[in-house]
Amino acid sequence: QQQVKQSPQSLIVQKGGIPIINCAYENTAFDYFPWYQQFPGKGPALLIAIRPDVSEKKEGRFTISFNKSAKQFSLHIMDSQPGDSATYFCAASRPKAAGNKLTFGGGTRVLVKP
Amino acid sequence: DAGITQSPRHKVTETGTPVTLRCHQTENHRYMYWYRQDPGHGLRLIHYSYGVKDTDKGEVSDGYSVSRSKTEDFLLTLESATSSQTSVYFCAVGWGFEAFFGQGTRLTVV
Repeated sequence: QQQVKQSPQSLIVQKGGIPIINCAYENTAFDYFPWYQQFPGKGPALLIAIRPDVSEKKEGRFTISFNKSAKQFSLHIMDSQPGDSATYFCAASRPKAAGNKLTFGGGTRVLVKP
Repeated sequence: DAGITQSPRHKVTETGTPVTLRCHQTENHRYMYWYRQDPGHGLRLIHYSYGVKDTDKGEVSDGYSVSRSKTEDFLLTLESATSSQTSVYFCAVGWGFEAFFGQGTRLTVV
């Protein structure tokens, strides 16, 4: 049972386009929602994170939008570049629960064409 | 890379054999995690540790065991490897939503 559902599985955009990745969750006990970026042959790395009491967060060209009532959040990559080609994972965490565990979505492979 | 080293980086093993993967960290993190990554499933937690000799199960722990005898080392053992355990294994350290991952170990069970 996947507690965080991510879509689409893959995405192709032209340079300068805005890939959008969507995630949905069920468990309202989650209290932080990070996004991780993974390049081939590397481990995932934290990209940006948001708390559920914030509707939007921007870091550079990356923006998270959060809809608490719908239990959905999304990542937008503004003015995408070929170097943004990677696999992106949304996640949800419960820091107060035992283990500070992260629950990940299934991942989205993004390809930005020059 | 938060000072995480995984070994080996690649391994091919036969069905039924035991396999141990090692994670070594240099930054004294209390929490350490083992994940497996499979297409379409993202990263799934196998086991984690919250201190020396303190470990607990994750969502896909069947067929795996772990040990942590020192703060810096977290071992993952496949007791009797099966083809379904062919995967990329990642070790991570961290706290809350911020995890730092190693480079991964690609394990193939034939």
